[in-house]
Amino acid sequence: DAKTTQPNSMESNEEEPVHLPCNHSTISGTDYIHWYRQLPSQGPEYVIHGLTSNVNNRMASLAIAEDRKSSTLILHRATLRDAAVYYCILRAVDSGGGADGLTFGKGTHLIIQP
Amino acid sequence: DTGVSQNPRHKITKRGQNVTFRCDPISEHNRLYWYRQTLGQGPEFLTYFQNEAQLEKSRLLSDRFSAERPKGSFSTLEIQRTEQGDSAMYLCASSLLGSSLGYTFGSGTRLTVV
Repeated sequence: DAKTTQPNSMESNEEEPVHLPCNHSTISGTDYIHWYRQLPSQGPEYVIHGLTSNVNNRMASLAIAEDRKSSTLILHRATLRDAAVYYCILRAVDSGGGADGLTFGKGTHLIIQP
Repeated sequence: DTGVSQNPRHKITKRGQNVTFRCDPISEHNRLYWYRQTLGQGPEFLTYFQNEAQLEKSRLLSDRFSAERPKGSFSTLEIQRTEQGDSAMYLCASSLLGSSLGYTFGSGTRLTVV
């Protein structure tokens, strides 16, 4: 998997939007951008993914740069329950039977202040 | 189906002993993954199965580690002759081949080798 770069930590206030950046300058044309988050004492949780276009779901939005070398996870209104480590991961298109192990970095530790 | 289930949640063992962990994936998921996570680090990929076939193994999976998924349903991860360096959280995840969604992780088994 190609490598991603994220800030070690970010801090935000409750009920404000949060923009979590991720750089992936070596992304290939067949790599999806996935985001997971991990709350304390839990396994990672899938948040969102995209290929080229911006994506929205009930948890977050994903904004992908036009050249796909960076992306931003957007939490529209952070709550205390959003405090977690957020991982940005590249995952190759699944061709069936090939390599499918995700490469997690250290992620961004998001701190939410009340 | 309540998600990916891992047992036990915690295991303390003496160095040199063998341990076995179990993972029950989401029933319709045909892929199952094992990861290891140490404190302050992101999860590290160990191995994955598609149905009962083990399709990928990481270099982290030493000869003392073995994983099985005999009937394509639950999986076991065994560590023989445990060492203190094996102390970590062992995470299991499952997914459905062809689905655009991400993995579903369990809550993990925390292993402490004393």
